[in-house]
Amino acid sequence: EDKVVQSPLSLVVHEGDTVTLNCSYEVTNFRSLLWYKQEKKAPTFLFMLTSSGIEKKSGRLSSILDKKELFSILNITATQTGDSAVYLCAAATQGGSEKLVFGKGTKLTVNP
Amino acid sequence: GAVVSQHPSRVICKSGTSVKIECRSLDFQATTMFWYRQFPKQSLMLMATSNEGSKATYEQGVEKDKFLINHASLTLSTLTVTSAHPEDSSFYICSAIIGRGKNEQYFGPGTRLTVT
Repeated sequence: EDKVVQSPLSLVVHEGDTVTLNCSYEVTNFRSLLWYKQEKKAPTFLFMLTSSGIEKKSGRLSSILDKKELFSILNITATQTGDSAVYLCAAATQGGSEKLVFGKGTKLTVNP
Repeated sequence: GAVVSQHPSRVICKSGTSVKIECRSLDFQATTMFWYRQFPKQSLMLMATSNEGSKATYEQGVEKDKFLINHASLTLSTLTVTSAHPEDSSFYICSAIIGRGKNEQYFGPGTRLTVT
């Protein structure tokens, strides 16, 4: 059965801290790994990672994929209160169905 | 960027009635749309995959006669919850991808369904 496991499930930090969110996956016909940020409503797309070892960056956020060890991390540096959200990791499968298998998410709370 | 809308954003209905939720891709044609359900403090659970012009593919455990999906055009998919029960109360989210072979899904804002 395909599964994605995220850790920690929740995290509380102070503004300015750096955080690392973890995502491991076991998926048949793996294609890519996606990270989403979910605040009050639906998830918004952050990154899609297809190749191992290539870091993707967007401002204070960065992510990398290790296809040998089957995991990905999402780093957020100099956290701000606006970073408070649930961060979801999803593994995408290749083939006709193009499904995403989501992890349960990491709830990040950044306190001022 | 690609925009997906959902309507309504929130709906309250009585037990036994049916509710239709619309999902539209506003600035692109979506060959495939997905319907998810999310329970409080839990992740998104894929309910079904909807391809334009063909029958939806339902995930194991999802009743196709209860959750009717129609993908009538390249910009519109609908989910109808038939004979709703309180346990159907949930947050329903649709997503769409542009073209086949793409994995980047664009999510709608979600619909909060409460069945009384």
